Amino acid sequence: ETGVTQTPRHLVMGMTNKKSLKCEQHLGHNAMYWYKQSAKKPLELMFVYNFKEQTENNSVPSRFSPECPNSSHLFLHLHTLQPEDSALYLCASSHRTGAISSPLHFGNGTRLTVT
Amino acid sequence: QKEVEQDPGPLSVPEGAIVSLNCTYSNSAFQYFMWYRQYSRKGPELLMYTYSSGNKEDGRFTAQVDKSSKYISLFIRDSQPSDSATYLCAMSWGGGSNYKLTFGKGTLLTVNP
Repeated sequence: ETGVTQTPRHLVMGMTNKKSLKCEQHLGHNAMYWYKQSAKKPLELMFVYNFKEQTENNSVPSRFSPECPNSSHLFLHLHTLQPEDSALYLCASSHRTGAISSPLHFGNGTRLTVT
Repeated sequence: QKEVEQDPGPLSVPEGAIVSLNCTYSNSAFQYFMWYRQYSRKGPELLMYTYSSGNKEDGRFTAQVDKSSKYISLFIRDSQPSDSATYLCAMSWGGGSNYKLTFGKGTLLTVNP
């Protein structure tokens, strides 16, 4: 079982819905990340949190709203999404940010479909 | 030109074959080179990483970096059906708040029994 757990595994939502993705890490890491993985595209970094503080927002539209209440939990709140937002959303954690000695540990992702 | 180029495949080989997966890059600032493996319906997991030019071996896997050509490779010897997955190259430079990590698109590999 992975040390990074994401729920739900699959989510189908309409463009007017509001939903949230949840991520929990059991590795004692201090940094957490949201990535978007679309078919035939490289992984896109969305947000970075270090010790609960957001340190990076990679020009993500405001319809994606992250929340990090503590170093073990990360949420991604979704509202008024577009069909092109359909993708696999991956959560990752690392001991600290910005170092090759702290590799990323990924969860298994939430497969999001926007109808 | 994109920073990291990786042929998405798909690549299909028979069991026992030697597999070669490759990425090219344009940013000479990249210092660390990684390979991630992603099984279907799973998240990526770090397979190997290397810093310098040359080869690094781990069991059946060899990572090769040629900084002069801006080219990295992952070789899999005696490939097994369990190696079937998407392989992502990734590269990084800098550190701390100035750290940048860039992924390739991934190559889908199928090893047929």
